[in-house]
Amino acid sequence: QQQVKQSPQSLIVQKGGISIINCAYENTAFDYFPWYQQFPGKGPALLIAIRPDVSEKKEGRFTISFNKSAKQFSLHIMDSQPGDSATYFCAASMDYGGSQGNLIFGKGTKLSVKP
Amino acid sequence: GAGVSQSPRYKVAKRGQDVALRCDPISGHVSLFWYQQALGQGPEFLTYFQNEAQLDKSGLPSDRFFAERPEGSVSTLKIQRTQQEDSAVYLCASSLVLGSYNSPLHFGNGTRLTVT
Repeated sequence: QQQVKQSPQSLIVQKGGISIINCAYENTAFDYFPWYQQFPGKGPALLIAIRPDVSEKKEGRFTISFNKSAKQFSLHIMDSQPGDSATYFCAASMDYGGSQGNLIFGKGTKLSVKP
Repeated sequence: GAGVSQSPRYKVAKRGQDVALRCDPISGHVSLFWYQQALGQGPEFLTYFQNEAQLDKSGLPSDRFFAERPEGSVSTLKIQRTQQEDSAVYLCASSLVLGSYNSPLHFGNGTRLTVT
């Protein structure tokens, strides 16, 4: 059972464009939604995260939009750069109650930003 | 070092061999996690330690998988009688305290295990 569904599987964007990656979750008990960036041969690195008490969080060129009623959240990368080319993973977990760190990851989106 | 360190970076094992994968978390980090990442997939949770206590091992796929953190710092993931389906990247992560939002997970670069 895939608890976090991520789309698209791959994405090609021109430099300067907006990259949008979407995720949907099933478990309403999830209360922590991070996005991770992973380069080949490296471990995932936290990009930005959100709790469900806010609908949007922005850090630099990266924005998470969160829709609690639809059980969906998305990552927007503004002014995409070739250096953003990587695989992006959304994830979800119950941050408290004994499940800390048990992140459920999506299958990933491979982003390519063309110069 | 400043980050989570894993060794070896690559491990090739013949089917049936035992392997041991090491993780050095960030100094002072209480929580330590092991994840398995198959090719082209997202990481999947294996197990979690708080100091030396293994509080959650619900993700270990079989009793051939065993993890320990005897002194609350370095951790070892052991796989006995390796099978081809064990081939994956094994990621270790640590966090300062409990609660991911205030203390996010820091991942190492993983050990790529290939079972032939």
